Amino acid sequence: DGGITQSPKYLFRKEGQNVTLSCEQNLNHDAMYWYRQDPGQGLRLIYYSQIVNDFQKGDIAEGYSVSREKKESFPLTVTSAQKNPTAFYLCASSIAGGLQETQYFGPGTRLLVL
Amino acid sequence: DQQVKQNSPSLSVQEGRISILNCDYTNSMFDYFLWYKKYPAEGPTFLISISSIKDKNEDGRFTVFLNKSAKHLSLHIVPSQPGDSAVYFCASCCFNAGGTSYGKLTFGQGTILTVHP
Repeated sequence: DGGITQSPKYLFRKEGQNVTLSCEQNLNHDAMYWYRQDPGQGLRLIYYSQIVNDFQKGDIAEGYSVSREKKESFPLTVTSAQKNPTAFYLCASSIAGGLQETQYFGPGTRLLVL
Repeated sequence: DQQVKQNSPSLSVQEGRISILNCDYTNSMFDYFLWYKKYPAEGPTFLISISSIKDKNEDGRFTVFLNKSAKHLSLHIVPSQPGDSAVYFCASCCFNAGGTSYGKLTFGQGTILTVHP
């Protein structure tokens, strides 16, 4: 069964702590994305990667970092510099990250600050 | 500057009737449009898409209409079913960013659809 998995489902962060959200896909997609959803708002792009070992900032990259060492994996680190990290985080992938491609989403991780 | 807007936060429809969800966009560079359905605490599920070379695309109970001159698209669900109750997001694509083309999606705020039995 091909798909995108995200873990954990819920994550708690203490003040000043970095946390990492996992995203794995077995769809053989080249492109992967991280979005953030806040209540009553649409999804906003944090980072994206069109190929291994390369990634680009999205609209709201400040306070976040990513890596793309493997095609299947695109972890997102929420750093202590992100002042308002409480949100629902969604990972997505598409075939090549080109124009007019459909993006497919994982189930999401909800991050809460203690 | 919200480039994709869903002006109705919620919509309530009787089972069996038509649901019409609306979306407006401002950027004439958008040439591909998608609708996603999202249940609480889950990721969005792709529903249907349309390219700007078309004005209508149909898939079962779902039809998307595109009016390029008005920069408006709509999703029709006929007949509506209680299982259709969810948040619906429209998304628009694509952008050239610094000379590099990629499939960046810009999302609307979402419309909560409730279908009553």
